[in-house]
Amino acid sequence: DGGITQSPKYLFRKEGQNVTLSCEQNLNHDAMYWYRQDPGQGLRLIYYSQIVNDFQKGDIAEGYSVSREKKESFPLTVTSAQKNPTAFYLCASSIRNAGSQHFGDGTRLSIL
Amino acid sequence: AQTVTQSQPEMSVQEAETVTLSCTYDTSENNYYLFWYKQPPSRQMILVIRQEAYKQQNATENRFSVNFQKAAKSFSLKISDSQLGDTAMYFCAFMGNNNNDMRFGAGTRLTVKP
Repeated sequence: DGGITQSPKYLFRKEGQNVTLSCEQNLNHDAMYWYRQDPGQGLRLIYYSQIVNDFQKGDIAEGYSVSREKKESFPLTVTSAQKNPTAFYLCASSIRNAGSQHFGDGTRLSIL
Repeated sequence: AQTVTQSQPEMSVQEAETVTLSCTYDTSENNYYLFWYKQPPSRQMILVIRQEAYKQQNATENRFSVNFQKAAKSFSLKISDSQLGDTAMYFCAFMGNNNNDMRFGAGTRLTVKP
């Protein structure tokens, strides 16, 4: 079955540490996205990529970095510069310029 | 920048009844997409319904339908014959025609009561 796989489901970060969240899709979608969701709030866009080797900052990119070396993969690194990283992170993908996005099951990141 | 507003933080409905969730948006674009997503306690984001702005006919998916008022920039979701499994957060979202930048509202928490 085609879909989006995010791993791990739960992740803990120590102060000053970088952590990487994985997102893989086998839907053959060109575009991929990372969102952050805080309790009781909607989704805010961190980064998105419409093609391989290209990506754009969203509204809250500070403290995060991404890469898009393969069509199937769009990992998100939460750097030590992100001072409040505790949140639920959702990855999504879509056919380019076609509207609806398909979401993974999310990763919950917490600070130790 | 486009904004999406959901003015109802929480709503409840009795099982088998009908409920309407409100959404308004702000844009200067003429062509765009609108969506309703459902997020149950499992935290998955599930697409409920989608509307293309150039289509005048309101989208319908089984018990879910929308009332799309383009001039008023309003996009409400009607859930008929509500079921306990409809209990979830519902997010309204907007996406312009020329990019993939999707904007979400803050959500409405819907509880279906038995």
